[in-house]
Amino acid sequence: DAGVIQSPRHEVTEMGQEVTLRCKPISGHNSLFWYRQTMMRGLELLIYFNNNVPIDDSGMPEDRFSAKMPNASFSTLKIQPSEPRDSAVYFCASSLEGGQGGYEQYFGPGTRLTVT
Amino acid sequence: KQEVTQIPAALSVPEGENLVLNCSFTDSAIYNLQWFRQDPGKGLTSLLLIQSSQREQTSGRLNASLDKSSGRSTLYIAASQPGDSATYLCAVPIQGAQKLVFGQGTRLTINP
Repeated sequence: DAGVIQSPRHEVTEMGQEVTLRCKPISGHNSLFWYRQTMMRGLELLIYFNNNVPIDDSGMPEDRFSAKMPNASFSTLKIQPSEPRDSAVYFCASSLEGGQGGYEQYFGPGTRLTVT
Repeated sequence: KQEVTQIPAALSVPEGENLVLNCSFTDSAIYNLQWFRQDPGKGLTSLLLIQSSQREQTSGRLNASLDKSSGRSTLYIAASQPGDSATYLCAVPIQGAQKLVFGQGTRLTINP
């Protein structure tokens, strides 16, 4: 199993530009999560999907952030326009709700975003 | 509101020692508790998941315990090795079983 795949691994962009982060969950998993990690705030859940449907987006900072999951094997997190305070590591995770794993979440390697 | 606390924030011990990492949570009505490891610049690796009905889980040199009534979990690492050096995070779900709340982590250094 390839695990959760994220791209790009690093992204450097200028303030005001659009940024799109991508995630491929583990095959067969039905829940997908987007987290953000910063030194100041630690790990925070931004949004999660179950069966491709957004269930809780209360962690999304503001309207500049949007996430989609068009099918079971792909999700995007978009920031438009980006700001320096968006600089962080963004993680995608997936799990199998209702399976034997007890909702264990598996994380991708993360995308390190730097907005200058 | 669920809050997760990990103490200490950092720990440094010589190789070979047994050690315990602590995690506490304010709302005992949890579905499970998960321990992760994070190496510098890397993602999170799931170490152990304890269901609310369990008291402990073991994987190799790792043993995690859960005491829901007191809002505590511990991660015991036996015979520590330099390769165990990493940040260890615990997390509990809220709103059912999916939305995880993380502690700030314990940064562990094992000195050869």
